[in-house]
Amino acid sequence: AQSVTQLDSHVSVSEGTPVLLRCNYSSSYSPSLFWYVQHPNKGLQLLLKYTSAATLVKGINGFEAEFKKSETSFHLTKPSAHMSDAAEYFCVLYSGGGADGLTFGKGTHLIIQP
Amino acid sequence: EAGVAQSPRYKIIEKRQSVAFWCNPISGHATLYWYQQILGQGPKLLIQFQNNGVVDDSQLPKDRFSAERLKGVDSTLKIQPAKLEDSAVYLCASSFGFRGSSYEQYFGPGTRLTVT
Repeated sequence: AQSVTQLDSHVSVSEGTPVLLRCNYSSSYSPSLFWYVQHPNKGLQLLLKYTSAATLVKGINGFEAEFKKSETSFHLTKPSAHMSDAAEYFCVLYSGGGADGLTFGKGTHLIIQP
Repeated sequence: EAGVAQSPRYKIIEKRQSVAFWCNPISGHATLYWYQQILGQGPKLLIQFQNNGVVDDSQLPKDRFSAERLKGVDSTLKIQPAKLEDSAVYLCASSFGFRGSSYEQYFGPGTRLTVT
């Protein structure tokens, strides 16, 4: 069975400090993993993806994530938070076992304090 | 390039009424997806089309939900009759290809349905 667990429903950081959003996954197949961001009243936007190439993946807006198979984790980080980063973030799994539907985590709401 | 279009953006109906949502994918995208996002949860796949054929509808409540993609372009998702628990945002996404995570899914802004 495939599943994604986002360990924090809310994360609050001060502007200019590092961001860490945690994600663990379970997959019967070699997974591909994604992080999507959802700003209020806007569609989901892909931040970055891991598809079995380099384990450290760089995305847009200064975000990056590291795939750790031994820990079944795919945590999202950013060195310095910006006010515009405030949004909902989803860790997403594509397990490739059948159709192409993605399995989403429940989301982490990132709050940026001024 | 134009993104995925959805309409309406908002809909309020009473339980037992019917409702339909429309999606126009990015031009040239063969694969179309409908997701349901309940408040506080991540989106859940309802149905996936490859051109005008259904690839996966295992999580679609077929007693009340139906979807079609005539001519392999636009798609319509219908709920009849609606229940209170159908209140959610319905997201449409499209991708160029099929069977591969390298094909990024592009999401529309969603339709927010409230059932009273």
